[in-house]
This record gives sequence, structure tokens and C-alpha cells, in this order.
Amino acid sequence: SHVLTQPPSVSVAPGQTARITCGGNIIGSKFVHWYQQKPGQAPVLVVYDDSDRPSGIPERFSGSNSGNTATLTIRRVGAGDEADYYCQVWVSGSDQYVFGTGTKVTVL
Amino acid sequence: EVQLVESGGGLVKPGGSLRLSCAASEFTFSVYTMNWVRQAAGKGLEWVSSISSSSTYIYYADSVKGRFTISRDNAKNSLYLQMNSLRAEDTAVYYCAISSSSAEYFQHWGQGTLVTVSS
Repeated sequence: SHVLTQPPSVSVAPGQTARITCGGNIIGSKFVHWYQQKPGQAPVLVVYDDSDRPSGIPERFSGSNSGNTATLTIRRVGAGDEADYYCQVWVSGSDQYVFGTGTKVTVL
Repeated sequence: EVQLVESGGGLVKPGGSLRLSCAASEFTFSVYTMNWVRQAAGKGLEWVSSISSSSTYIYYADSVKGRFTISRDNAKNSLYLQMNSLRAEDTAVYYCAISSSSAEYFQHWGQGTLVTVSS
């Protein structure tokens, strides 16, 4: 089965930058998408197609994808950014959606 | 504003069945691929199943293939998941989600319904 690996946790001081990686050989030339999930809430799309943001998502959230690793970057982190973050790809050859293992972001 | 409201969750014994529903509103339901995604307590997200706008294309995760059936009724703006032969490992919150136009990601999610499989 396909695997997307994320660090279990990332800690960042308020006002600093958090970077969350998503790695796996299925990424290749595929688009990577990112979701934020706060405790007790449904996931929310924050970045799609590697680096695009849905309306309403602050510019502080950005994404990139190179080789077999995608990165979600959150600038000027605040307490409201504490959440779990998941990457995701669509694997067309297998007709499957694959989620990353998830990263808990903690604001110190 | 897009609304997705799941229902039908509950407690069921191993081997039992349950049917989940998702009522959609405030968008043109009939043109979008729809999905079920689940999350066990304290665990990550797991895609379960997808159905294209006219039900032509249907996909399942290997973990539920042969046991779960996804369907939709575009006249009723509703999505369904029939779950049979349920196992303890199917215990999770089940989310209904709308695919993007490209069908490569999930642009909106419902609040979920809890399914507990236990004797």
C-alpha cells in the first residue's frame, strides 16, 4: 500500500515559521493537498494543487512540492494554528486517495 | 454556504450492518464526485470510498471492498454508505466530503457521524 510520511509533531514559537514535510515515492509528479484539523472538528482544506489556497485561507499558509517531498509552510504562527495537519494525494493508477500520517503542530 | 450533514451512525455488533446518509445543500450536488472518509479515535484520516457525479465511477479502499457500498440519489441531494459485515476496526467517525472539480482533493467536509462496532 502507498505511504505518505509526515513528522509526528512540530513545535514552533509564536510568530515563527512552521514547516511540515510529506514524503513518499508516490508523490513524484502528483499534486499534493493539505488539510488542517482542530480538535473535535472536521478537516479543512488549506492548500491544494501543491501551492494554491482556497478562499478564506490566510496567505501565511503556503505549499511547495519538489521531488518526492512536499512541504506546508505556516508563517507567523499563532495559537489558532495549533492543529493536526495532513497531506494527501490522488493515486490515479490505483484509483485511491492517500493521506499522510499526520503532524501535530504545537505553538510553544 | 455548503452544507453536508451526516447521519445514521451508532452502536452495532460485529458482523452487523449500518447505513450512513449525508444530506447535501447549498451547492449543485449532482455535478460533484462525493466521498466518505473515516477517522478512528486518535488516529489519522483514511479514505473509504468515492462515487462520481452520475455514479459511473465507484472506488473503494481495500479495507472495505466487498463489505461497503457507496451510492447517491441526485434527486434527493443525498449520499449513502451501506456498511455490512462490520468489524471492530471499522469503528470511527465517518465524514462525507465533496471532491474538487478535478476530483483530486476534498474541498468541503461534513461534521461526521460516529460508528462504533462492539459487542
